[in-house]
Amino acid sequence: ETGVTQSPTHLIKTRGQQVTLRCSSQSGHNTVSWYQQALGQGPQFIFQYYREEENGRGNFPPRFSGLQFPNYSSELNVNALELDDSALYLCASSFGGEISGYTFGSGTRLTVV
Amino acid sequence: GESVGLHLPTLSVQEGDNSIINCAYSNSASDYFIWYKQESGKGPQFIIDIRSNMDKRQGQRVTVLLNKTVKHLSLQIAATQPGDSAVYFCAAFRDSNDYKLSFGAGTTVTVRA
Repeated sequence: ETGVTQSPTHLIKTRGQQVTLRCSSQSGHNTVSWYQQALGQGPQFIFQYYREEENGRGNFPPRFSGLQFPNYSSELNVNALELDDSALYLCASSFGGEISGYTFGSGTRLTVV
Repeated sequence: GESVGLHLPTLSVQEGDNSIINCAYSNSASDYFIWYKQESGKGPQFIIDIRSNMDKRQGQRVTVLLNKTVKHLSLQIAATQPGDSAVYFCAAFRDSNDYKLSFGAGTTVTVRA
């Protein structure tokens, strides 16, 4: 059984560019949630995907978007990058409403310059 | 929504002593709480959870206490070890159907040899 894997681990982008981050959910999990963690802060919920549909969204602008694929893996896309988008982006997977099995990946460190 | 906050941003503990990390939450409807440990460069790692119908739960060297009257929970770590040095977060789900984890800002625990 594999855990949650995220790629890439580190990324540097220029302001105004677009970025795609990837997440493979833990085996048996069908729900993926994305979080943004600024330096020194707790993670902030971006959105969740269940059965390839967005299933809830936090207070993030529309330039943050996502996808979930039939194999339950997911992508987070951010357009028109801003300096404040620099953060650790975390993906968590779970099985439906079983929140006790919520498992985080190690994250992607995005730096916008 | 839910607001979760930690009482102290940092905690320094002598190796072998017990650690206590405190957390307050705002939403009395919150049903499920989780403590996470996050080491540098890694995603949050599950430590222990507790539901609102309980006031205490014990794991290996850890105990979580929940006081719903004052909306406070704590994490106690027995016989703190150097490997316990990390940032600790409390997080809350509103209920079992809630898709969003609300995190506090984190307490950095440093273990002194």
